[in-house]
Amino acid sequence: DAGITQSPRHKVTETGTPVTLRCHQTENHRYMYWYRQDPGHGLRLIHYSYGVKDTDKGEVSDGYSVSRSKTEDFLLTLESATSSQTSVYFCAISESRVGANVLTFGAGSRLTVL
Amino acid sequence: AQSVTQLDSHVSVSEGTPVLLRCNYSSSYSPSLFWYVQHPNKGLQLLLKYTSAATLVKGINGFEAEFKKRETSFHLTKPSAHMSDAAEYFCVVTFSGGSNYNLTFGKGTLLTVNP
Repeated sequence: DAGITQSPRHKVTETGTPVTLRCHQTENHRYMYWYRQDPGHGLRLIHYSYGVKDTDKGEVSDGYSVSRSKTEDFLLTLESATSSQTSVYFCAISESRVGANVLTFGAGSRLTVL
Repeated sequence: AQSVTQLDSHVSVSEGTPVLLRCNYSSSYSPSLFWYVQHPNKGLQLLLKYTSAATLVKGINGFEAEFKKRETSFHLTKPSAHMSDAAEYFCVVTFSGGSNYNLTFGKGTLLTVNP
C-alpha cells in the first residue's frame, strides 16, 4: 500500500450524518478512483478523477460526491449516510487511464452506518 | 459489453497441493485480463495481467494464468499451495486499450489453505 494513505481506516456513524473519506497519494499519479467492496459484489466504481478538479461518475455514484483540489488528495463525501452505504471503501491510483495500466490500491476504509 | 464470472466462491486446498481458481469472461472486444489478490484487511495487489502478448502469463509468488480465447477462460494456477496464499482472489476484465473506468471485477474466490 506504499504511496496511498486512506483515512480514517475505520468509522462508525449514524444514519443521516455527513461523512468524508480521504485518499492521499505520494506517487503524483494523474488518475484516482473510489471503489466500494461488498460481499458477493466484488469491487464497484463509485467515482474517478482524471486530474485536478476533473471528476466523473462510476457505476454506483448515487449518494456520493467527490472533490479533487490537489493532485495528491481525492475526497469521497457521503452527504447524508444511509445503512446501505455500510461498506469497505478503497481508493486506487494509476499513471494512465488505459486498462492495461495497473491500479495500486490503498488499504481500505471500513464504514459502518447505524 | 463485458462480464466476468468466477466459478467458485470458495476453494479449499491442502498445503503443498495445486491451486486452480477459475475465471470465465465475455467481452465484445479483445480483452485485457488481470488477477488481483487481497489478503485480510489489506488492499488489492496485482498478481498478473494479460494484454494480448503471450497467452501464458507468469505472476508473482509462483502463480500463472493461461488465456484461452476459444474457451473464454483465464484460470489462475499454482503448482503447490503455501499457507501464505490464503486470501481472496479477483479476476478483472476490460477491453484491450479500454480505460480503467471500464474495469469489471469478479465477485471473488476465497482460497483457504489447510495445513
